Amino acid sequence: DSGVTQTPKHLITATGQRVTLRCSPRSGDLSVYWYQQSLDQGLQFLIQYYNGEERAKGNILERFSAQQFPDLHSELNLSSLELGDSALYFCASSVASQPYEQYFGPGTRLTVT
Amino acid sequence: DQQVKQNSPSLSVQEGRISILNCDYTNSMFDYFLWYKKYPAEGPTFLISISSIKDKNEDGRFTVFLNKSAKHLSLHIVPSQPGDSAVYFCAASERAGGGADGLTFGKGTHLIIQP
Repeated sequence: DSGVTQTPKHLITATGQRVTLRCSPRSGDLSVYWYQQSLDQGLQFLIQYYNGEERAKGNILERFSAQQFPDLHSELNLSSLELGDSALYFCASSVASQPYEQYFGPGTRLTVT
Repeated sequence: DQQVKQNSPSLSVQEGRISILNCDYTNSMFDYFLWYKKYPAEGPTFLISISSIKDKNEDGRFTVFLNKSAKHLSLHIVPSQPGDSAVYFCAASERAGGGADGLTFGKGTHLIIQP
């Protein structure tokens, strides 16, 4: 158990819909990262938040957005969903002194039908 | 364009022997490299890392070697154990890039340890 929790574990929704994925980092970790794992692209970095502020963006679509709240939990919002958005979405967290040793949650499997 | 490449989708090794997983990268700005291990239905787990100022880092049965001139790194597991069966991801980052701590991952190698 990494200490990072993600909800829900599975999500099935239709094209055009909007969903919210939730992540609670390990206690004390200020950084939260979101990654998408699809069959053809592998694990791709989407976005990073540090102590409530956006710190870096990777390959995140404009239809996707995220935020980190004062209690440090984070939400990833996916809108106007397309079939190609079906993937595993992982959240990870880290301490400031070791940003690359990231602790991953179990992931949310999103299926868009 | 894949900046981190793991060209072997799978690798089968006998228990007790050495497992060698390979990774190549194209971005010369990468200066920190990591290996993650992933079991089914779980998130990736950090295994071992190496800075570009080193060419070797060892942790128990796991050793990572870095060849900067060849832009190549490898993970050695000795001896291989059944619990090592998992997908192994190579990852890299530009620590000097400033601000961005997101990792660039390879597509993974599925290691299967045969009894």
